[in-house]
Amino acid sequence: GGIITQTPKFLIGQEGQKLTLKCQQNFNHDTMYWYRQDSGKGLRLIYYSITENDLQKGDLSEGYDASREKKSSFSLTVTSAQKNEMAVFLCASSIWWGAQDTQYFGPGTRLLVL
Amino acid sequence: AQKVTQTQTSISVMEKTTVTMDCVYETQDSSYFLFWYKQTASGEIVFLIRQDSYKKENATVGHYSLNFQKPKSSIGLIITATQIEDSAVYFCAMREAGYQNFYFGKGTSLTVIP
Repeated sequence: GGIITQTPKFLIGQEGQKLTLKCQQNFNHDTMYWYRQDSGKGLRLIYYSITENDLQKGDLSEGYDASREKKSSFSLTVTSAQKNEMAVFLCASSIWWGAQDTQYFGPGTRLLVL
Repeated sequence: AQKVTQTQTSISVMEKTTVTMDCVYETQDSSYFLFWYKQTASGEIVFLIRQDSYKKENATVGHYSLNFQKPKSSIGLIITATQIEDSAVYFCAMREAGYQNFYFGKGTSLTVIP
């Protein structure tokens, strides 16, 4: 078994601020993902990475940067927080980009921008 | 265009009955994978069950089973003998073979009434 850890659990920012969210996994999975979930909505893919130093844009990448410096960690940066923005950011990992596997999710980071 | 569509926003059922949640998907690929996930009130997302497009037999795991109707691009989730703890939001997702992105539906909220 393994676990995905996301820090921080809660993040309160100011409009225009650059905010960084971190994700660590000990599954030794190759692929990692960042999703955004707005209240009552589904998951939208922001970025994913199939290996260390690889980055792939998802449908929602504008306004975000990502970094995969190690296999076990994947960071997401909100480049300029939008006023009144409120969402949950979910990190996930899966074993191999081509494998018939599934995703394992972290507990999420809840963002509120004042 | 939405690749995965869940038309049921919310469903309520009596405990110990059977419920079916609908999901339709769009893909041009002949090989793809379909998943169902459960998100509890705490926000935790767990994988429930998967159907591979080339398999004719419907997947079953515990009291979860799938109704895979390939000609209709449909993958329904069936929960038998529902329990109170099945109350959650259920997401359908798809991944096309050779690609790393998962496409999620908007979710169906299930309430199991004692």
